[in-house]
Amino acid sequence: SQTIHQWPATLVQPVGSPLSLECTVEGTSNPNLYWYRQAAGRGLQLLFYSVGIGQISSEVPQNLSASRPQDRQFILSSKKLLLSDSGFYLCAWSHPGLARDTQYFGPGTRLTVL
Amino acid sequence: SQKIEQNSEALNIQEGKTATLTCNYTNYSPAYLQWYRQDPGRGPVFLLLIRENEKEKRKERLKVTFDTTLKQSLFHITASQPADSATYLCALDRAPDSSASKIIFGSGTRLSIRP
Repeated sequence: SQTIHQWPATLVQPVGSPLSLECTVEGTSNPNLYWYRQAAGRGLQLLFYSVGIGQISSEVPQNLSASRPQDRQFILSSKKLLLSDSGFYLCAWSHPGLARDTQYFGPGTRLTVL
Repeated sequence: SQKIEQNSEALNIQEGKTATLTCNYTNYSPAYLQWYRQDPGRGPVFLLLIRENEKEKRKERLKVTFDTTLKQSLFHITASQPADSATYLCALDRAPDSSASKIIFGSGTRLSIRP
């Protein structure tokens, strides 16, 4: 069966510091990968998606970037965090192609920028 | 503008009753609509998907309807239990012809089932 991991689970970082969040998927090949952010009391916002190694699409202009160095690894980064980057970050995967409907989410990373 | 709205932020009902949650969308023609459950501090979990040519779909105590004329989906939990308490999210793919899903989510309805 497939599993998705995210780490760290929680993170407190000062403004201006760098960020690296990691997501890995097991038990599937060539998944579509996604990063979402959920701000307090708000809905999920799609940040980035990837359909293959090195292929990243950004949905919202922002202070963050994403990379996919391996088939089942997805990384969210920032060079300098802003207060507004605080939130709950969720990684998700879906099957590729026509079976891509359903999103399978990881446990999330709670980021607090102070 | 395009919107997906869940018009009840919170819903409190008595155990054993049927909970009905509403999802409305505007300026989309989705090929399908999904419902997810999210518990506090956790990622959403997929529950049901209903396609535009399906009127109704069931899974155990869950039932989803999809009315493309009204641009609305209803999500029902029958014989509700306290363990059903969670936030429920509706979602649709705003770019079904894209190589990856571009799912947009409603803001959720927080359901509380009291014993």
